[in-house]
Amino acid sequence: QKEVEQDPGPLSVPEGAIVSLNCTYSNSAFQYFMWYRQYSRKGPELLMYTYSSGNKEDGRFTAQVDKSSKYISLFIRDSQPSDSATYLCAMSAGGGNKLTFGTGTQLKVEL
Amino acid sequence: GAVVSQHPSWVICKSGTSVKIECRSLDFQATTMFWYRQFPKQSLMLMATSNEGSKATYEQGVEKDKFLINHASLTLSTLTVTSAHPEDSSFYICSAPADRFEKLFFGSGTQLSVL
Repeated sequence: QKEVEQDPGPLSVPEGAIVSLNCTYSNSAFQYFMWYRQYSRKGPELLMYTYSSGNKEDGRFTAQVDKSSKYISLFIRDSQPSDSATYLCAMSAGGGNKLTFGTGTQLKVEL
Repeated sequence: GAVVSQHPSWVICKSGTSVKIECRSLDFQATTMFWYRQFPKQSLMLMATSNEGSKATYEQGVEKDKFLINHASLTLSTLTVTSAHPEDSSFYICSAPADRFEKLFFGSGTQLSVL
């Protein structure tokens, strides 16, 4: 079993839809949870950074962390074609430990 | 957010030659930088951790003599792929933590194609 599981998609939604992207993990030591957006042949861009459980909102993006279920989510409201990209979740136990990445979910937002 | 600059964006080289990739932190100092490799439709694979003023730390299975890393200053790390072969063709990405170790900022990546 991988330490972090993420559905690779592709996930195709119409413009304006609410998108839900998810990751599950097995390492209970993870404390820091990140979401990155990666366009084709570009480096990942940090979207959301959260510590421990709870919600965090930034514009159209909301990150949720449920440590009891070992489950994290990224919601995108009013999705736009420009949101079409691969979304990677990443996690760390902190204390200088390296990040563990999911495989990424490819999202397509269609007009 | 912090800016990490990576050059070149793409490079094509002949088998047996060496290629150098540069990674610079533009608006912050980075004592640590990370080098990743990514195959199509796959996630990031950490290759090595670059430490300013000391030797790099390589992940298991990564040949340190093939992938030479130099972190000569607080804003520059370089990855040199020595004696490149077609199987080294991949997308290489560097990253650096800015204010927190877990908060990584990535370069734009380098697509290496070895003929």
